[in-house]
Amino acid sequence: DTEVTQTPKHLVMGMTNKKSLKCEQHMGHRAMYWYKQKAKKPPELMFVYSYEKLSINESVPSRFSPECPNSSLLNLHLHALQPEDSALYLCASSQVNRSHLYGYTFGSGTRLTVV
Amino acid sequence: DAKTTQPTSMDCAEGRAANLPCNHSTISGNEYVYWYRQIHSQGPQYIIHGLKNNETNEMASLIITEDRKSSTLILPHATLRDTAVYYCIVRVNYNQGGKLIFGQGTELSVKP
Repeated sequence: DTEVTQTPKHLVMGMTNKKSLKCEQHMGHRAMYWYKQKAKKPPELMFVYSYEKLSINESVPSRFSPECPNSSLLNLHLHALQPEDSALYLCASSQVNRSHLYGYTFGSGTRLTVV
Repeated sequence: DAKTTQPTSMDCAEGRAANLPCNHSTISGNEYVYWYRQIHSQGPQYIIHGLKNNETNEMASLIITEDRKSSTLILPHATLRDTAVYYCIVRVNYNQGGKLIFGQGTELSVKP
């Protein structure tokens, strides 16, 4: 299995809703990432997990709450989002100590619309 | 990590070689050059990377100048499916996974 699977593919939520995005990989990668991508812009790094521990938070607002329950799963919990949070949310994974050798594997993303 | 500069857009005729340039004049000795591409509405896809030497794989070739201040990604026989945004990224090998920071990229249009 050489894929990163993200669910759901599309999500519409209200500003008072709570929802979660899910990311799964079975490549044995111990580093996982969340990126946010607005239309016509490059992906922006949000969080990095290394060995299931949060290692980088790029000053993301607390309405985004990541969780890494095990080495294969990465969740992004969403609460009280704003319409400007509408974007494509991408998950990626890589090996930790040799990520420079093999690059990152990205999922296809969840397209989130906040209404 | 060093900053990269790429042209905003390029066109290429189908079947011809696509040569995508990237400037990274502030690159450090331990920084790698990576190329990713993103086809519309999909996640970015890793293409190739290198440190000093030129590299080739089944997708593309990477030519890095001797002073490492610039590089060129070559798609030898571009097809319509190569139409995408191509990102050149420079980064250090971090042992904690680290950051992959995307620049603005080059939008390549392959035309029949």
